[in-house]
Amino acid sequence: DGGITQSPKYLFRKEGQNVTLSCEQNLNHDAMYWYRQDPGQGLRLIYYSQIVNDFQKGDIAEGYSVSREKKESFPLTVTSAQKNPTAFYLCASRAWTGLINYGYTFGSGTRLTVV
Amino acid sequence: DAKTTQPNSMESNEEEPVHLPCNHSTISGTDYIHWYRQLPSQGPEYVIHGLTSNVNNRMASLAIAEDRKSSTLILHRATLRDAAVYYCILKQGGSEKLVFGKGTKLTVNP
Repeated sequence: DGGITQSPKYLFRKEGQNVTLSCEQNLNHDAMYWYRQDPGQGLRLIYYSQIVNDFQKGDIAEGYSVSREKKESFPLTVTSAQKNPTAFYLCASRAWTGLINYGYTFGSGTRLTVV
Repeated sequence: DAKTTQPNSMESNEEEPVHLPCNHSTISGTDYIHWYRQLPSQGPEYVIHGLTSNVNNRMASLAIAEDRKSSTLILHRATLRDAAVYYCILKQGGSEKLVFGKGTKLTVNP
């Protein structure tokens, strides 16, 4: 079955370390996204990519970096510059034509905790 | 970003219909209305979306007011698996961003 795979499900990071969260999709979707969710809150957009080798900052990109070398993959690196990284991170994808409005497919998330 | 207003929580009984309201009085002509639901510690699940006309799919129906300032997500027969937080979101036609509010927590009683 097609879908989005996020790994790992749980991740612990020491302060000052960079960590990379994986996101892979086999839906042949063009666009991919990273969101962050804090307890009791809605999702906030970190980065998104509409095509390979191109990505755009979202509302809270500071302290994060991404790459899009393959259509299927959109890894997120949480750097030591991110002041409050403990959160639930969600990856999403969407078929994109620029004209037709499709729904988003989300992964099951990675819970990152700074220890 | 255009905002939506939803009740914090709602309750329903199993096998009864559920109407989840959403107000979006500042909606613009190119904003699509999206609904997603989320279970604890899981990613959101797409439910339905529409622009102007009412929409039906296997999960739910979306009723959009004629002036588009409000909409209602209709679950025709609630099951225990429908208990989740439901998010009503406006997505601008040319934007890649979904702006999530706090949503409505739906409790389904057996």
